Amino acid sequence: QVQLVQSGAEVKEPGASVKVSCKTSGYTFNDLYIHWVRQAPGQGLEWMGWIYPHGGGTKYAQKFQGRVTMTRDMSISTAYMDLSGLKSDDTAMYYCTRDGHDRTFDYWGQGTLVTVSS
Amino acid sequence: EIVLTQSPGTLSLSPGERATLSCRASQSISSSYLAWFQQKPGQAPRLLIYGASSRATGIPDRFSGSGSGTDFTLTISRLEPEDFVVYHCQQYDSAPPTFGQGTKVEIK
Repeated sequence: QVQLVQSGAEVKEPGASVKVSCKTSGYTFNDLYIHWVRQAPGQGLEWMGWIYPHGGGTKYAQKFQGRVTMTRDMSISTAYMDLSGLKSDDTAMYYCTRDGHDRTFDYWGQGTLVTVSS
Repeated sequence: EIVLTQSPGTLSLSPGERATLSCRASQSISSSYLAWFQQKPGQAPRLLIYGASSRATGIPDRFSGSGSGTDFTLTISRLEPEDFVVYHCQQYDSAPPTFGQGTKVEIK
């Protein structure tokens, strides 16, 4: 069965960087986009960007341009999201999600809580 | 960027009642790219409806979606106790994909 399993919670100081992983299984990693979506406490869902594993192409939301980098390791079917210059308002749950077909986010990771605090 | 506005923000109903949730887009979108998600506390969103009206795998038939253009609706025909959670609509007709702010369905 399809699974997306994310890395554990992180606590970072302002100005630091965080790298979250999303290990996939149960399907051909090459073929489908992986998107990253975050959710601040008590807030809605915010799209951050995508990576296409085959070739590694990326597209980022304008808000995160220059601060986010999405990569992948094909050998272990894992996607990564690196966010730098962390601020307190980056405190959020970060999710990876698969674009199954026709731009549908059909499977989600369990989420990774990133807390930014001094 | 397409803005999605969900209403109401909170819907107070009793188990067994019918719930009607609205999602309005700032411009017309193809119904092929409108989805609804359910989110339980402490969990990731779960896909309920895609293509505005198609139920995802394993979703009970009490959930249905409809609409076109700028107005879309999620209907829960008879609320079960586990349905009292938050629902999000999302569009991906044009980039970037965007979400509504969510509707919380609470027990009256």
